[in-house]
Amino acid sequence: ILNVEQSPQSLHVQEGDSTNFTCSFPSSNFYALHWYRWETAKSPEALFVMTLNGDEKKKGRISATLNTKEGYSYLYIKGSQPEDSATYLCAHQKSNQFYFGTGTSLTVIP
Amino acid sequence: KAGVTQTPRYLIKTRGQQVTLSCSPISGHRSVSWYQQTPGQGLQFLFEYFSETQRNKGNFPGRFSGRQFSNSRSEMNVSTLELGDSALYLCASSVRDRQETQYFGPGTRLLVL
Repeated sequence: ILNVEQSPQSLHVQEGDSTNFTCSFPSSNFYALHWYRWETAKSPEALFVMTLNGDEKKKGRISATLNTKEGYSYLYIKGSQPEDSATYLCAHQKSNQFYFGTGTSLTVIP
Repeated sequence: KAGVTQTPRYLIKTRGQQVTLSCSPISGHRSVSWYQQTPGQGLQFLFEYFSETQRNKGNFPGRFSGRQFSNSRSEMNVSTLELGDSALYLCASSVRDRQETQYFGPGTRLLVL
């Protein structure tokens, strides 16, 4: 994988459903993996910084895992709420440079 | 603590003109990065400054330039604007660099007519 890829591109879920997205990145020269939430008309908001293979991070109903050997990270949202509707971006950090995916757009239907 | 601020928030220019965008990082942050987002594209890295020095540069033409001042505030300049430069320009700051979170500003939306 040469670039950062996110899937799916968009997702509609019912309120209360759990969901997950994938971020794939080049596994060589790994430095860090970042997740952001970007709501419409707001600034991207940092969720997690992950650095170690096997890392698991949690923030409320949102959690993320990291596999640096195979080059992927999963973001999980448990019991989705309408306020979770946003675009979720991941970024692969190599040294001082960040490479962003195009994001997964999540819509939670009440 | 105040967040990252960017000015102006919206801008309309015509082809051939030049534009300067400004970014004030969070107090104490010394690294400032600039990104461009166009429809359907992820955030594309423009450049990163640390202590008034450009440390990294993305794959953009020389019409895109930037600088950082001693107070860590940063400006980016685009000369000879093209229609394709219409985009949302975001800046982000962090304390230093190592595996640290970047904090984003609200962006400047530039429309080139």
